[in-house]
Amino acid sequence: GENVEQHPSTLSVQEGDSAVIKCTYSDSASNYFPWYKQELGKRPQLIIDIRSNVGEKKDQRIAVTLNKTAKHFSLHITETQPEDSAVYFCAALYSGNTPLVFGKGTRLSVIA
Amino acid sequence: KAGVTQTPRYLIKTRGQQVTLSCSPISGHRSVSWYQQTPGQGLQFLFEYFSETQRNKGNFPGRFSGRQFSNSRSEMNVSTLELGDSALYLCASSPGTGGLEAFFGQGTRLTVV
Repeated sequence: GENVEQHPSTLSVQEGDSAVIKCTYSDSASNYFPWYKQELGKRPQLIIDIRSNVGEKKDQRIAVTLNKTAKHFSLHITETQPEDSAVYFCAALYSGNTPLVFGKGTRLSVIA
Repeated sequence: KAGVTQTPRYLIKTRGQQVTLSCSPISGHRSVSWYQQTPGQGLQFLFEYFSETQRNKGNFPGRFSGRQFSNSRSEMNVSTLELGDSALYLCASSPGTGGLEAFFGQGTRLTVV
């Protein structure tokens, strides 16, 4: 089955700097890659997703890139702000009929 | 449009008891997936229901079960509770099968004592 590895497990950045979180997946047939943000005590929120026919997607300060050959995808947050502090989860979907497989999460701390 | 609603938000149960958790998906969504979230293991998939049928099941013991009703609301049940079942239980709803565009509820925090 699908397996998703996420790195780093913790990340601290200065406010205004960029943050990058990387995930690798095992099944080359995976075709959907969402990212979730979970603030303390709150639900995971879908912040951006990308499908396998696209190499990059941007939404304001966040972007996701996908390298199908290397089987990895990354979340990029630019101009980080304290409110970006949260746990971020990546996930991969093998097909529309299978469940999401999640990475173990990255705790991002943005230091003001 | 209302989001995914889970009840109750918090539960404290004793070992050996059973518990039922409820999830109401976003209106129009027919798929409900359940996840167990613990600090060490992240989000572990329990099962997925679509149109009242279980489509996928994760690697959990038979004490964990679920069902879905005709209005897409779903319940999960855990029997003979163990201390290790203490976790945040999250459900997610999707328009179609699988985890495409899944939106999570606030979760039910279960504590087993």
